Amino acid sequence: GESVGLHLPTLSVQEGDNSIINCAYSNSASDYFIWYKQESGKGPQFIIDIRSNMDKRQGQRVTVLLNKTVKHLSLQIAATQPGDSAVYFCARDSGTYKYIFGTGTRLKVLA
Amino acid sequence: KAGVTQTPRYLIKTRGQQVTLSCSPISGHRSVSWYQQTPGQGLQFLFEYFSETQRNKGNFPGRFSGRQFSNSRSEMNVSTLELGDSALYLCASSLDPAGVADTQYFGPGTRLTVL
Repeated sequence: GESVGLHLPTLSVQEGDNSIINCAYSNSASDYFIWYKQESGKGPQFIIDIRSNMDKRQGQRVTVLLNKTVKHLSLQIAATQPGDSAVYFCARDSGTYKYIFGTGTRLKVLA
Repeated sequence: KAGVTQTPRYLIKTRGQQVTLSCSPISGHRSVSWYQQTPGQGLQFLFEYFSETQRNKGNFPGRFSGRQFSNSRSEMNVSTLELGDSALYLCASSLDPAGVADTQYFGPGTRLTVL
């Protein structure tokens, strides 16, 4: 069935280091991928997106990489800060007005 | 622009009751989706509405229903509540230009507790 999986449920990084959060997907029909950040007690917040005709997209301190060959998506956060502590979700569109979300990775930033 | 708003933010109900949750999308957004979030199952898609029509539905029982009004505001209803319905219910809206997959922006959610 359709799925979006994550390699690690929890990632701990030292403040100032770079973070890399990974996501695998099983269906190659997806055209659009999104990364969300969810802090405790809040709804998911859009971070960055990428369409399937791109391999890489950069935002402020964040970069998303898409490898369609191995069906892998990653989010890189540069110079991780305490405010980056949250759960990060990848999501993809299923082509039928439906988005499928990964299980999430909890990022912990160590002082 | 104001973000997606959801009311109420918290609800406590007992088994067997029904509940209605409300969502106001970002101004100009015409697509509204609903998700259920639980620690065990993560974010699961409930349904999506566009121009007052349900375009897709997730794998939830018929006790879960929704609708969208002409101003794009949406409601979801859960009848005959069960303990397992306790969850954070999230609403997301998007522009949906010509049906192209588009960024969904989420509201803060409604925390439903069923006792």
